[in-house]
Amino acid sequence: SQQGEEDPQALSIQEGENATMNCSYKTSINNLQWYRQNSGRGLVHLILIRSNEREKHSGRLRVTLDTSKKSSSLLITASRAADTASYFCAAYQTGANNLFFGTGTRLTVIP
Amino acid sequence: EAGVVQSPRYKIIEKKQPVAFWCNPISGHNTLYWYLQNLGQGPELLIRYENEEAVDDSQLPKDRFSAERLKGVDSTLKIQPAELGDSAVYLCASSLFGENTEAFFGQGTRLTVV
Repeated sequence: SQQGEEDPQALSIQEGENATMNCSYKTSINNLQWYRQNSGRGLVHLILIRSNEREKHSGRLRVTLDTSKKSSSLLITASRAADTASYFCAAYQTGANNLFFGTGTRLTVIP
Repeated sequence: EAGVVQSPRYKIIEKKQPVAFWCNPISGHNTLYWYLQNLGQGPELLIRYENEEAVDDSQLPKDRFSAERLKGVDSTLKIQPAELGDSAVYLCASSLFGENTEAFFGQGTRLTVV
C-alpha cells in the first residue's frame, strides 16, 4: 500500500521554468527521500532530507520538509527537457525502518 | 562497480504458471528490498531483508509469493501460481544498513501474465 501521496499527479512546463512537486506522508519518519524514474527504468536517488532538517539543496534541486504537516516539496529550478521523468517521494518510516513510496508526479518539460 | 542486477528483464507467462525473479544487490549492502510497481503508480514494498533475515514481509501475499535470500547476498522472488493481476514491474533495491542511506534500484523485471 502507498504511504504517501504526491501532488500534482502530472505537471507540464516549458524548458527554463521551475517545477514544484509536493508530497504528503502518513507516519513519523527518520528521513524523506526523493527519487526519479525515467520511463521503463529503475529509480535513481536524488536527495535525502533528515527529519531534523527543514531545507536542503543539491544543484538545481531544493527540498523542504515540514514534519508538523507531514509534507515535503521538491523544487527543480531552470528545468531542462532531460528532467522529463516521474518523481517519487519516499518516507523512511521510524520504527519499521522501511522505505515507503508515494504515488509520483509525472513531469514533462517541453523544449 | 556494478549496480543492482535483476534478471530477467522481461517475462511473459500464462496464468497459473510459476515464475521467479533474481536479484544481485550491490556488494556490501546488507539491506535488500523487493517492490512491486503497477503502471502509473509508485513502488509498493513486498519484503525487506537485513542480511539473510526477512525482517518485514507483512506486505507479501504469502499464499502465492515467496522470497529467499540465501547467504545474505542475492535474492529470489517467486510467484506460484501467477494470476493475471500479478502483471507489473518487480523492482529490487539494496542499501547499506542504517536509516539515512539511499536505496539503489535495479532495472526491474516486467512480468506479463496472459
